[in-house]
Amino acid sequence: NAGVTQTPKFQVLKTGQSMTLQCAQDMNHNSMYWYRQDPGMGLRLIYYSASEGTTDKGEVPNGYNVSRLNKREFSLRLESAAPSQTSVYFCASSEAAGTNYGYTFGSGTRLTVV
Amino acid sequence: GQQVMQIPQYQHVQEGEDFTTYCNSSTTLSNIQWYKQRPGGHPVFLIQLVKSGEVKKQKRLTFQFGEAKKNSSLHITATQTTDVGTYFCAGASGSARQLTFGSGTQLTVLP
Repeated sequence: NAGVTQTPKFQVLKTGQSMTLQCAQDMNHNSMYWYRQDPGMGLRLIYYSASEGTTDKGEVPNGYNVSRLNKREFSLRLESAAPSQTSVYFCASSEAAGTNYGYTFGSGTRLTVV
Repeated sequence: GQQVMQIPQYQHVQEGEDFTTYCNSSTTLSNIQWYKQRPGGHPVFLIQLVKSGEVKKQKRLTFQFGEAKKNSSLHITATQTTDVGTYFCAGASGSARQLTFGSGTQLTVLP
């Protein structure tokens, strides 16, 4: 089925460990996004990539890095995980940059940092 | 920065009752989108409104965009248990390249 695929679905990390969240879309979308979702705080943008080869900071980029590997893939890296990064992470894509296109979300990665 | 406020945060209704969630922005929006997230799921795009005063319907769901393009609402008529979930609005102002999401309204439908 066409859509956005995220891996892993669940992860437990120890404080200080690193990991990379993977995201791939097969809809030929140009723009991709990483959000985190915490209770009562909605979806907050971490980083986005308007097009292949570009990345920009969102609302809460500290502690994260991203790589737009190619048009399909956009990864999120936590270099040294902290308990404050315990959250549900969603990757999304849209046809183009800007806000005139609906976003398609992946099923999420539930990350716990202990 | 731009803020998008959504109320109420929680709403419990009896099956068959109506439900409304409201979205308010501190700035004029160029458009607004609505998403639904089922419990344990991911947000799913429902609709986009662009024009001042625009009203769109999807079966029992009615979406409105305010005349000043600073507020929006989602109204569900005669709720069903399948309507359970969190409804998010998301908007952008001016030349913003990404959406700002509201905090969502969590709807519980009691059978």
